[in-house]
Amino acid sequence: DQQVKQNSPSLSVQEGRISILNCDYTNSMFDYFLWYKKYPAEGPTFLISISSIKDKNEDGRFTVFLNKSAKHLSLHIVPSQPGDSAVYFCAASGGFSSGYALNFGKGTSLLVTP
Amino acid sequence: KAGVTQTPRYLIKTRGQQVTLSCSPISGHRSVSWYQQTPGQGLQFLFEYFSETQRNKGNFPGRFSGRQFSNSRSEMNVSTLELGDSALYLCASSPSGSVNSNQPQHFGDGTRLSIL
Repeated sequence: DQQVKQNSPSLSVQEGRISILNCDYTNSMFDYFLWYKKYPAEGPTFLISISSIKDKNEDGRFTVFLNKSAKHLSLHIVPSQPGDSAVYFCAASGGFSSGYALNFGKGTSLLVTP
Repeated sequence: KAGVTQTPRYLIKTRGQQVTLSCSPISGHRSVSWYQQTPGQGLQFLFEYFSETQRNKGNFPGRFSGRQFSNSRSEMNVSTLELGDSALYLCASSPSGSVNSNQPQHFGDGTRLSIL
């Protein structure tokens, strides 16, 4: 049962524009959400996270928004750069009670074109 | 600061064999988790260790096991290998994993296991 869903397998954006990656979850016990970026032949690299007590977290060009009532989060990348081309995974955790296990979406492949 | 190190990077085994994969976490990190990545199922949680104790286990058969040593290094073992075990096995570490302490997990580059 997929508790974290990324419904867009791929996204193409022009360099300099905004990239918006979306993620939905079903488990209301999730209280910590993360985004990872993955290049081929490498492990996922942590990008940014947000706790359920917040609705926005920003780190440089990356901003994550959390809408708990809709069980939805999104990652905004502004401005997008060609080096951002990678697969982006959304992940969610139920915290200590679930042993901090991360539940992952299946990823969105982002292509940033010059 | 060195990242999470996994060895070996690639491994080829045949059905019925067993395999042991190794993970050295980031220095000072005490929580180690293992994940399996396949094209069909994506990234799935296997188990998590903290202070040499397994705290949580995902929905995998008993053929998948692991352990953690006093220096926080971890190994996972898969016995009686099946074709479906072909996957990328990823290890991740985080500092403490204590209550009310949400901290990101940092991943190694994985071990690519192929079963013939």
